[in-house]
Amino acid sequence: DQQVKQNSPSLSVQEGRISILNCDYTNSMFDYFLWYKKYPAEGPTFLISISSIKDKNEDGRFTVFLNKSAKHLSLHIVPSQPGDSAVYFCAASVLGGGADGLTFGKGTHLIIQP
Amino acid sequence: KAGVTQTPRYLIKTRGQQVTLSCSPISGHRSVSWYQQTPGQGLQFLFEYFSETQRNKGNFPGRFSGRQFSNSRSEMNVSTLELGDSALYLCASSTTGGRDSPLHFGNGTRLTVT
Repeated sequence: DQQVKQNSPSLSVQEGRISILNCDYTNSMFDYFLWYKKYPAEGPTFLISISSIKDKNEDGRFTVFLNKSAKHLSLHIVPSQPGDSAVYFCAASVLGGGADGLTFGKGTHLIIQP
Repeated sequence: KAGVTQTPRYLIKTRGQQVTLSCSPISGHRSVSWYQQTPGQGLQFLFEYFSETQRNKGNFPGRFSGRQFSNSRSEMNVSTLELGDSALYLCASSTTGGRDSPLHFGNGTRLTVT
């Protein structure tokens, strides 16, 4: 039973446009969410996070939106650049904090086309 | 500052054998987590160590074990290897393992079981 779902295995976006990556979760105990980016042959790198007490967090070109009632979050990248081509993982953590392990989605492969 | 180092990068083992993977965290990081990545299941949490103690464990059989040394370096061991253990094993370190210290991943060890 997948608790974090990224239903789009891949997404193609033109350079300069907005990229929107979506993530749904089923466990209502999740209260902290993160996005990681992964290039081939490298480990994931942390991108941005959001706590359930917020509905939006912004860091430069990256914004994460959280809709708790819909159990949905999204990552917006504006404007999209060629270097953004990578696999993006959504991850969630249960209430209580600490190193209880992250639950990851299966990832969305973002392709930025010139 | 050097990143998380995992050795070896690639391993080929036969069913029934055992394997030990090594991880050197970022200097000053005391928490080390291990994840398994497969195409079918995505990234799954194995366990987390902090100050030589296992704090959390994911839903994996007892064949998967780990330990952490006083210098925060960690090893992961898989005994009686099965074909399904073929995966990318990722190690991640953080300062405390808490919400305020995102995970920094290594590039992984690719294990192939034949």
